[in-house]
Amino acid sequence: GDSVTQMEGPVTLSEEAFLTINCTYTATGYPSLFWYVQYPGEGLQLLLKATKADDKGSNKGFEATYRKETTSFHLEKGSVQVSDSAVYFCALSPPGGGADGLTFGKGTHLIIQP
Amino acid sequence: GAGVSQSPSNKVTEKGKDVELRCDPISGHTALYWYRQRLGQGLEFLIYFQGNSAPDKSGLPSDRFSAERTGESVSTLTIQRTQQEDSAVYLCASSYRTSRNNEQFFGPGTRLTVL
Repeated sequence: GDSVTQMEGPVTLSEEAFLTINCTYTATGYPSLFWYVQYPGEGLQLLLKATKADDKGSNKGFEATYRKETTSFHLEKGSVQVSDSAVYFCALSPPGGGADGLTFGKGTHLIIQP
Repeated sequence: GAGVSQSPSNKVTEKGKDVELRCDPISGHTALYWYRQRLGQGLEFLIYFQGNSAPDKSGLPSDRFSAERTGESVSTLTIQRTQQEDSAVYLCASSYRTSRNNEQFFGPGTRLTVL
């Protein structure tokens, strides 16, 4: 079945550091790929998405590129802020649509220190 | 506009009791999803509704779990004879339709603790 693997946390960085959170997936065909973020005390929010190979999703300074050849969708940000502290989830939607729901990774807890 | 809402936000129950969790999706969203998030784990997909029907219930963890949706709006997830392993955050999401490109909007979740 489909699966998503992302780096274990917590990841602790200083403000203005460069961020990479790795995500790789296993799926049949061409899934859509997502990054969701969960800020403390809040629900999951979509951060960015990409629906086909080589697409780049971007939002709030975060970027991720859909790499079919490496089955990856790594999340990057050039300069993190304290307000970026949250749990980040990589997820995929199968080619057939949402009938099977999203498959999520276990989440990466990011802590940004001032 | 209003987002997805869930109630209660927290539920503490004793082992063996039944619980009912409620989800109000965004108005006009035809697809509704239930997920479970155990401590330290990712989200586990449970069931989805397209309109009022749930084509596939195989993701429900056991026959103690059931879900229904009425009027293409409110959905309830019922857990009978709760066990300690049912303790988790139960998340509901909705989307406009079940296209692979459509964003799922999540509610804040219900944290269930079974003593």
